Amino acid sequence: NAGVTQTPKFQVLKTGQSMTLQCAQDMNHNSMYWYRQDPGMGLRLIYYSASEGTTDKGEVPNGYNVSRLNKREFSLRLESAAPSQTSVYFCASSEDGPLSYNEQFFGPGTRLTVL
Amino acid sequence: SQQGEEDPQALSIQEGENATMNCSYKTSINNLQWYRQNSGRGLVHLILIRSNEREKHSGRLRVTLDTSKKSSSLLITASRAADTASYFCATDASDYKLSFGAGTTVTVRA
Repeated sequence: NAGVTQTPKFQVLKTGQSMTLQCAQDMNHNSMYWYRQDPGMGLRLIYYSASEGTTDKGEVPNGYNVSRLNKREFSLRLESAAPSQTSVYFCASSEDGPLSYNEQFFGPGTRLTVL
Repeated sequence: SQQGEEDPQALSIQEGENATMNCSYKTSINNLQWYRQNSGRGLVHLILIRSNEREKHSGRLRVTLDTSKKSSSLLITASRAADTASYFCATDASDYKLSFGAGTTVTVRA
């Protein structure tokens, strides 16, 4: 039981390049989330998917797109990376119900640097 | 914008001592959660306390919630080196999404 897995662990991009961060969970959870973590700011929600086939914007969605490929997988795409997107990105998942009523399970994170 | 804010930002204690950190929030909540993050790792859920609960225990952890003061506290008793981590409170906004604070960094000295 791997929980939540993320790839890659580290990535360096040049400004303007694109990339996709991959996330998968094996807990049969319906809800999945993408957060970014910056020094001194806690986690901020980028996008979430309450169930397969649905996605919604979080607090900081600009510059990102997401795809809920199936129940297991939720990917985050940066179409044209900017230095302001340098951050650590976490994927998380949780069981059914109102999003905040259940604990969230987090992946190990992807450290992204945009030069 | 962040709903919850932890205090203090950093805390250094001796092994065996207790560690207390607080979380204040701005608007009414349905529940409040505490998470731990070890350096370079993802967050791990510790405790969820609902708005109609006042206190909850899990092992060496004790969480209190005072909805009249819009605040919560996390107490770690008999701290160990392995408790060195950042601790975050997370509260839900009106749309049920979680909002995380900036965290309290706890260092337990041997």
